[in-house]
Amino acid sequence: AQKVTQAQTEISVVEKEDVTLDCVYETRDTTYYLFWYKQPPSGELVFLIRRNSFDEQNEISGRYSWNFQKSTSSFNFTITASQVVDSAVYFCALSTRGYYGNNRLAFGKGNQVVVIP
Amino acid sequence: NAGVTQTPKFRVLKTGQSMTLLCAQDMNHEYMYWYRQDPGMGLRLIHYSVGEGTTAKGEVPDGYNVSRLKKQNFLLGLESAAPSQTSVYFCASSYSPGQGILYEQYFGPGTRLTVT
Repeated sequence: AQKVTQAQTEISVVEKEDVTLDCVYETRDTTYYLFWYKQPPSGELVFLIRRNSFDEQNEISGRYSWNFQKSTSSFNFTITASQVVDSAVYFCALSTRGYYGNNRLAFGKGNQVVVIP
Repeated sequence: NAGVTQTPKFRVLKTGQSMTLLCAQDMNHEYMYWYRQDPGMGLRLIHYSVGEGTTAKGEVPDGYNVSRLKKQNFLLGLESAAPSQTSVYFCASSYSPGQGILYEQYFGPGTRLTVT
């Protein structure tokens, strides 16, 4: 079965600290995609990144970085030097070719990040 | 390019009333989805569609119906609203590079529904 686990439900950090969000996924497929979304307090869901299973290079975009490790089935997200605007719920998601995964994404439950000024 | 739009943004219903939520996308995506989001529950898939004229049940389909008469529109209906359907509803659309796998979903702004 396809499954995404985000273990930490709420994480509080003081502004300028780094925060890492863990995402662990389960799939038997060799071809799959992983995603991260941000949901700020205003409520919209914003797509941040897509990563395919054949590309294990880490990615950096400004203060955001992603670490993909197939050996541990993890796709972790780090916010460096956090800011109050980073306060949001962050969702990890998985897309596979498997029977259950066809035509749907599997979402994790989300991590609530609170950045304290 | 508006992306995914939803109407209405807010609605209050009384128990037993009916309503339709409209989702529209202008990205020519084949796949469309309706989710509900409740505190602490993450996103739960209600129904989805893999193309014009098709619909399928998700995790929590009871009490909802959907239709996809046009590729760009996906309607979610509540025939007899119940307080348990108080939630935020999100529509999303997506596309596929083939082989039965999906790229990212793009979400609408959400509809906040309260059933009293």
